[in-house]
Amino acid sequence: DAKTTQPNSMESNEEEPVHLPCNHSTISGTDYIHWYRQLPSQGPEYVIHGLTSNVNNRMASLAIAEDRKSSTLILHRATLRDAAVYYCILRDLNRDDKIIFGKGTRLHILP
Amino acid sequence: DTGVSQDPRHKITKRGQNVTFRCDPISEHNRLYWYRQTLGQGPEFLTYFQNEAQLEKSRLLSDRFSAERPKGSFSTLEIQRTEQGDSAMYLCANPGNGELFFGEGSRLTVL
Repeated sequence: DAKTTQPNSMESNEEEPVHLPCNHSTISGTDYIHWYRQLPSQGPEYVIHGLTSNVNNRMASLAIAEDRKSSTLILHRATLRDAAVYYCILRDLNRDDKIIFGKGTRLHILP
Repeated sequence: DTGVSQDPRHKITKRGQNVTFRCDPISEHNRLYWYRQTLGQGPEFLTYFQNEAQLEKSRLLSDRFSAERPKGSFSTLEIQRTEQGDSAMYLCANPGNGELFFGEGSRLTVL
């Protein structure tokens, strides 16, 4: 499985934008970039995914580098409820579609 | 609420006892996944079903573990002769439109 690299933890102030980086230098052409987050005592929650173009939804934006070897999850205005572990995952929907999680980035939001 | 429900949410048992967890997925999806998550780690893939067929099992799934999905609907994960190392959150997931929907998990504590 292709692997991703994320910082172990990050901090941000409430109501400010947060940029969560992810490196995936061994990404293949059919790998989609997925982001999930996990709030305390809950199961992982889907955030966003993309292939090549930047993506926006009600939760976040995903900026994908032109060479696709890195991506950034953008939370436009962090709230205390965004404090969670964020996982960046590569998933080839043309093959086995199980998700392999890494350790993710623990995001702390400072009031 | 993702529509994936797991029961029980919490289970405390003594070492050597058997435990069973149940997952009721979103009914219209034919794949179902089981994951295990220990403290501070990302979820680890255990096994998955396509309808009632168990298609892949991780090496983490020792012979004390057995999973079933009769009739391709709900699934059960049984752990026999539990050990303290089995203490973890057991998560069930169902695919949606490009993403996985996770239940809130069943937390097992083995004393």
